[in-house]
Amino acid sequence: NAGVTQTPKFQVLKTGQSMTLQCAQDMNHNSMYWYRQDPGMGLRLIYYSASEGTTDKGEVPNGYNVSRLNKREFSLRLESAAPSQTSVYFCASSASRDRGRVDEKLFFGSGTQLSVL
Amino acid sequence: GNSVTQMEGPVTLSEEAFLTINCTYTATGYPSLFWYVQYPGEGLQLLLKATKADDKGSNKGFEATYRKETTSFHLEKGSVQVSDSAVYFCARRRTGGFKTIFGAGTRLFVKA
Repeated sequence: NAGVTQTPKFQVLKTGQSMTLQCAQDMNHNSMYWYRQDPGMGLRLIYYSASEGTTDKGEVPNGYNVSRLNKREFSLRLESAAPSQTSVYFCASSASRDRGRVDEKLFFGSGTQLSVL
Repeated sequence: GNSVTQMEGPVTLSEEAFLTINCTYTATGYPSLFWYVQYPGEGLQLLLKATKADDKGSNKGFEATYRKETTSFHLEKGSVQVSDSAVYFCARRRTGGFKTIFGAGTRLFVKA
């Protein structure tokens, strides 16, 4: 069971470079999310996609863009990386609506450790 | 605003000690409450949850009770093991919503 798969696991960028973090889930989940994890601040939501074809801003969207490519895949793009974006990034997904209720449990990938120099 | 506050760590305990990690929340309405655990080098995984007042979530010997009157969801375990060493996150989510808000996390070290 692959669950939520993120690539790459590690990345080092120079300030101003761009890159895309990839995420795919094989659980047929409708909703997908990108979080960043910083010491002492827990996880903060960057963007989410409630369902295929929709994306919305979370708590800290500035400097990021996302694409919900299809139901399985949700990518996060840094157009011009900054040192403040050094962090661990997690992709997560949650199940489809069932009789009007959203399954609230999140399934996480193993993370991408990004350093911006 | 809507937030989750949990006790700062690290918490260091000896094996078989009693564990409490405090968590309080602010929110409008009646959110669902969660504890997630992160083992070294891994993503978070759900430990337990409660969706309404007075519910008790439990899993792997851990328990937490949804206390509406004190807006709390404290995590407890009667006898910790070395394998419980991890970072624990309290979280809340508005029922039917899409945003899960996490606390800062509490690192637990359990010594043999």
